[in-house]
Parts: sequence; C-alpha cells; structure tokens
Amino acid sequence: DAKTTQPTSMDCAEGRAANLPCNHSTISGNEYVYWYRQIHSQGPQYIIHGLKNNETNEMASLIITEDRKSSTLILPHATLRDTAVYYCIVRDLNTNAGKSTFGDGTTLTVKP
Amino acid sequence: NAGVTQTPKFRVLKTGQSMTLLCAQDMNHEYMYWYRQDPGMGLRLIHYSVGEGTTAKGEVPDGYNVSRLKKQNFLLGLESAAPSQTSVYFCASSYETGGIQDTQYFGPGTRLTVL
Repeated sequence: DAKTTQPTSMDCAEGRAANLPCNHSTISGNEYVYWYRQIHSQGPQYIIHGLKNNETNEMASLIITEDRKSSTLILPHATLRDTAVYYCIVRDLNTNAGKSTFGDGTTLTVKP
Repeated sequence: NAGVTQTPKFRVLKTGQSMTLLCAQDMNHEYMYWYRQDPGMGLRLIHYSVGEGTTAKGEVPDGYNVSRLKKQNFLLGLESAAPSQTSVYFCASSYETGGIQDTQYFGPGTRLTVL
C-alpha cells in the first residue's frame, strides 16, 4: 500500500470548514483512499473513502485530485466534537490485509 | 447490534505474566485485526485473520500470538508480558479486504500496563 503524508496538526474555528490534506504521491490505480478519525481514547471511526471521484456523505466530503496523488477531507461545518486525530490511508483493491498502516495522522483542534 | 467489543477494558500485569485479550464481532465479518497504539502514535498492525481458522502476522507480531477458532472471535495472547507491551490494543473487523467493503470497524480498546 502507498505511503501517505499528513500535517501533524491543524486548527479550525467552530462553524467553519475544516480542510485536511493528504499526500499519497505513490498511489496506484487499484488503491482506494480511506479516512478515519480517532476521538480521544476511543477506537478509530470510519469517515469516508473514494477511488477517483469526489465523494460526499453525511459526515464529510472527499476531494481527490485528478492525478490521484493527493486528497482533501472536508468537514463542512466543524464542531467542537470534531476535534480528533484524522488518518488518511490507502488500500489496494486486492490488498494483502497485513499491509494496513495508519501512520500518525493529523490532530485537528476545533476552537470556539 | 453491538459491533466490535473487547474484553477487558483495562488490565495491569507484572513482567512475565500472561493474558488473553478477547475481541468479538456480531457483523459476520470475515476479516479481523489486532492493532496496538502507543502514546502519541498511530496504529500498528500486530496480527490479522482472513477467516475462521486462519491467522497471519502483521507489522509488529513479536511477543504475541492469536487464534480465530470461531468466526466472531479473535483472541490476542501475551505469553510473557514485557513493559514494552504497555499500550492500548484495538481490535477491528471488516467484511472483506480491498475495495469498497474494506471499511474497518473498531472496538473501544484495551488499556494494558505491564509493570
């Protein structure tokens, strides 16, 4: 699976959009981009995933660049409860399950 | 639907003691995973299973053993605990691996301290 690079930390004002970037420049054509988040001390929670088209669900939007080398997770109206560590990972369609790597993620702090 | 549950939630061991962590899922998922998370770090895969009766090593398997005798359960064993195994352990499951069904569902974690 491709390696991802994320900023260590970001701040966002409550009510504003939070845009979390992820670089995955070595991504292959078979790899999906997945986003999870981990609220303090809890188990990670799935947010969204995509292959090459932009995706939206009730939690967030995922924007993947045309060359698929980077993506952005968008929380449209961040709340204090969105303060968490956000992980971007890539997973192969035919992946070996043993290659699941979460990395260190981005710590998002939503401020009042 | 309880999802993924883990037992126990907390445990303190002395060096050299053994213990087993239990993970259970009620979603009929084929794949199950054990991760560890050290303070301020991301998750690292210890062992995983692609189905009942199968297990395989992940990124950091040394010092741990696993078993998947029933589809819904995945056990993680520490035969002789060491202080370096102090961590939070998360179990996860997924319907399949790769593609759109690869979403992993995580348990609440087990906080283990080895003195």
